Amino acid sequence: AQTVTQSQPEMSVQEAETVTLSCTYDTSESDYYLFWYKQPPSRQMILVIRQEAYKQQNATENRFSVNFQKAAKSFSLKISDSQLGDAAMYFCAYRRNNNAGNMLTFGGGTRLMVKP
Amino acid sequence: DTEVTQTPKHLVMGMTNKKSLKCEQHMGHRAMYWYKQKAKKPPELMFVYSYEKLSINESVPSRFSPECPNSSLLNLHLHALQPEDSALYLCASRGTSGGGTDTQYFGPGTRLTVL
Repeated sequence: AQTVTQSQPEMSVQEAETVTLSCTYDTSESDYYLFWYKQPPSRQMILVIRQEAYKQQNATENRFSVNFQKAAKSFSLKISDSQLGDAAMYFCAYRRNNNAGNMLTFGGGTRLMVKP
Repeated sequence: DTEVTQTPKHLVMGMTNKKSLKCEQHMGHRAMYWYKQKAKKPPELMFVYSYEKLSINESVPSRFSPECPNSSLLNLHLHALQPEDSALYLCASRGTSGGGTDTQYFGPGTRLTVL
């Protein structure tokens, strides 16, 4: 079974600084997707960024970028120029391609606090 | 537009009540999901519907009854719930053809409290 581990239950960052959230996963598959979701106190899970395992290039979305190390099974999220609105729970998620129901396996989450 | 809507936002019910949660999307997605989320925990999958048919039931108690009346709508009927069922209930949808089939889009959730 696949597992996703986020080893940092909580992180804090100063506004305008850079922070990296870590995520590791365990799988024997070669074709899969990885996601970072953000869940602010308003509760809605918002997709931040996704990465296809067959793409070597790291995904980037504005201030958010990932460091995808397939051999190491690592998928960290870097947030540059942190803003107060980035404060939220961040969940890393894995999905095997073509699995029944396309189910996500979530990590335990990292709570990010942004200090003004 | 990647909007999934859920109603109500909050629901308080007694253990003998019957209530329903509603989820709607107009993105043409044919896969829809129900999740249960406890505080500071990741979402736990409950049900998956694919093309309006229940494809996965993650051993959820029968007091939770899902229904997919059409491709845009997903309901969760609640009956005889327990206080430990209090949680945030999230709905999600995913495209099943073309681009964007790899991503689930979530609604804002319904905060359920069972007294």
